[in-house]
Amino acid sequence: DTAVSQTPKYLVTQMGNDKSIKCEQNLGHDTMYWYKQDSKKFLKIMFSYNNKELIINETVPNRFSPKSPDKAHLNLHINSLELGDSAVYFCASSQELVTEAFFGQGTRLTVV
Amino acid sequence: AQSVTQLGSHVSVSEGALVLLRCNYSSSVPPYLFWYVQYPNQGLQLLLKYTSAATLVKGINGFEAEFKKSETSFHLTKPSAHMSDAAEYFCAVSSNSGYALNFGKGTSLLVTP
Repeated sequence: DTAVSQTPKYLVTQMGNDKSIKCEQNLGHDTMYWYKQDSKKFLKIMFSYNNKELIINETVPNRFSPKSPDKAHLNLHINSLELGDSAVYFCASSQELVTEAFFGQGTRLTVV
Repeated sequence: AQSVTQLGSHVSVSEGALVLLRCNYSSSVPPYLFWYVQYPNQGLQLLLKYTSAATLVKGINGFEAEFKKSETSFHLTKPSAHMSDAAEYFCAVSSNSGYALNFGKGTSLLVTP
């Protein structure tokens, strides 16, 4: 069983569209994250949720909205997609504080 | 804010040679430090972590790292490189809040025959 799974793995869409990326973890962790990896492979935290509560919301455009229906799921919805949103988005999870984070396989988003 | 700096965006070694990837941290409190590896088109996998126990940390695949407070360093080493070690390596530190990891810019390791 995959510990942290994201869908879809690849997403190609046009500018202006709205899209969602889903993430599920079966590790029983309390905290989930979204990271963005840009074309230079730099990884930056976007959001952190603990027990379904938003803990960290970095300077991310409000077109990005995370939703955590339960502790095992953290989805990312993106409105009005822009070219600059093209990147690889990683979901991750950990116990309450980050002693070790487990990452999903990533979703490569391409906006055309 | 807690941060890490990785020296060298690209490192090339010969198969069988020593691997040394450098990471320096900046932290106002005793840090939690991590090394992750990313193979092409895959997610990140934890190699090893330092959480204030032993200063010499052993990880998977023969990698180890030494926490040196006096040098604010956490360099990653492996005695003998394998072709399969070619990947992107990231050093990371836990954030002030403890609810995120702050990553370095990564070092791409190339292993030549």
